[in-house]
Amino acid sequence: AQTVTQSQPEMSVQEAETVTLSCTYDTSESDYYLFWYKQPPSRQMILVIRQEAYKQQNATENRFSVNFQKAAKSFSLKISDSQLGDAAMYFCAYRSRNMDSNYQLIWGAGTKLIIKP
Amino acid sequence: GAGVSQSPSNKVTEKGKDVELRCDPISGHTALYWYRQSLGQGLEFLIYFQGNSAPDKSGLPSDRFSAERTGGSVSTLTIQRTQQEDSAVYLCASSLSMGRAETQYFGPGTRLLVL
Repeated sequence: AQTVTQSQPEMSVQEAETVTLSCTYDTSESDYYLFWYKQPPSRQMILVIRQEAYKQQNATENRFSVNFQKAAKSFSLKISDSQLGDAAMYFCAYRSRNMDSNYQLIWGAGTKLIIKP
Repeated sequence: GAGVSQSPSNKVTEKGKDVELRCDPISGHTALYWYRQSLGQGLEFLIYFQGNSAPDKSGLPSDRFSAERTGGSVSTLTIQRTQQEDSAVYLCASSLSMGRAETQYFGPGTRLLVL
């Protein structure tokens, strides 16, 4: 079974600086999707970025980018120029692309990101 | 357009009582998911609906939990004879289809506290 691990329960960063959130996963599959979701205090989970495992290129969305290391099964999220509005819980999630496999999202336990003004 | 909405936002109940949680997905979304989020934990899948297909109930923790989706739209999650361990945030999500690349859009959740 697949698992997702986020080893940092909490991270803090100074406003305008860069922070990296770690995520590792375990799978025997070769084709899958990886996601980072953000959950602000409003509780509404919002998709930040998605990576397709068959793509070599790291996904980027404005100030958010990932470092996808397939062999190491690592999927870290880098937030550049941190803003106060980035403060939230960040969850890493895995989903198999194999139509014969479980389609559910497998979630990490989350990392709380604190932005210091 | 309107996002996923859930009601109530918060619910406090006494142990042993039944509760109903409601989810209104985004119009036109055929897939609907229920998750449970306990304090300090990631999301735990509960149940999944796709169109008119039979739901996947494999994540429901006990037979006290049930859910239905009427007319392919609104869904209700029912917890019977609530226990203190049922206290959690219950999140609903919908997606346009069951495609694995599809983005799931989440509601704000219902925070349930069982006294």
